Amino acid sequence: DIQMTQSPSSLSASVGDRVTITCRASQSIRNYLNWYQHKPGKAPNLLIYAASTLQSGVPSRFSGSGSGTDFTLTISSLQPEDFATYYCQQSYSTPPTFGQGTKVEIK
Amino acid sequence: QLQLQESGPGLVKPSETLSLTCTVSGGSISSSSFYWGWIRQPPGKGLEWIGSIYYSGSTYYNPSLRSRVTISVDTSKNQFSLRLSSVTAADTAVYYCTRLKDSYYSYMDVWGKGTTVTVSS
Repeated sequence: DIQMTQSPSSLSASVGDRVTITCRASQSIRNYLNWYQHKPGKAPNLLIYAASTLQSGVPSRFSGSGSGTDFTLTISSLQPEDFATYYCQQSYSTPPTFGQGTKVEIK
Repeated sequence: QLQLQESGPGLVKPSETLSLTCTVSGGSISSSSFYWGWIRQPPGKGLEWIGSIYYSGSTYYNPSLRSRVTISVDTSKNQFSLRLSSVTAADTAVYYCTRLKDSYYSYMDVWGKGTTVTVSS
């Protein structure tokens, strides 16, 4: 299985901050990388697929980049509703695997 | 708007079979280009893909669970189901059902809110 490693595991930030989350794959996954947002008690929400394509309805402050083994999710200006846990997931090979998550908390 | 809702017992005894159903509303489970799947998250751990099914019945399972997992579909009820046999405490988790877009790039674009299953005597 392809291992996905996110960093940091958690971070504290303020409203308006620029936030960057990193995801690294244990082998090249080209750009078969998705990002999800998850708030407690709610359904996870797809933010980005194919490493950089914004899912319909997702605010433009979210962006993704990278290819091969290294990827980033950036929130350009953190909003109150963005405090959540973020997961990367590879869709390059079966089984699809997830990073361990990055919890974004209020500073 | 497509919605998914998990249902099933919240408590299962060790060695028994866990059974969950996902009801699809606001759309058809028989849509082409979509698979339907199950994901779980044990307490304090990451997300784990369990398996997926196409409306025709074609399935893919996580090799780590394949010997114990069965996913089935009932197009007449717009539902799909998960059965996990011989459960242990390690199967305690929040279980999510998802829709998987099956295209050049695949991704899970709709999720249920999840249901908590505890394995305990």
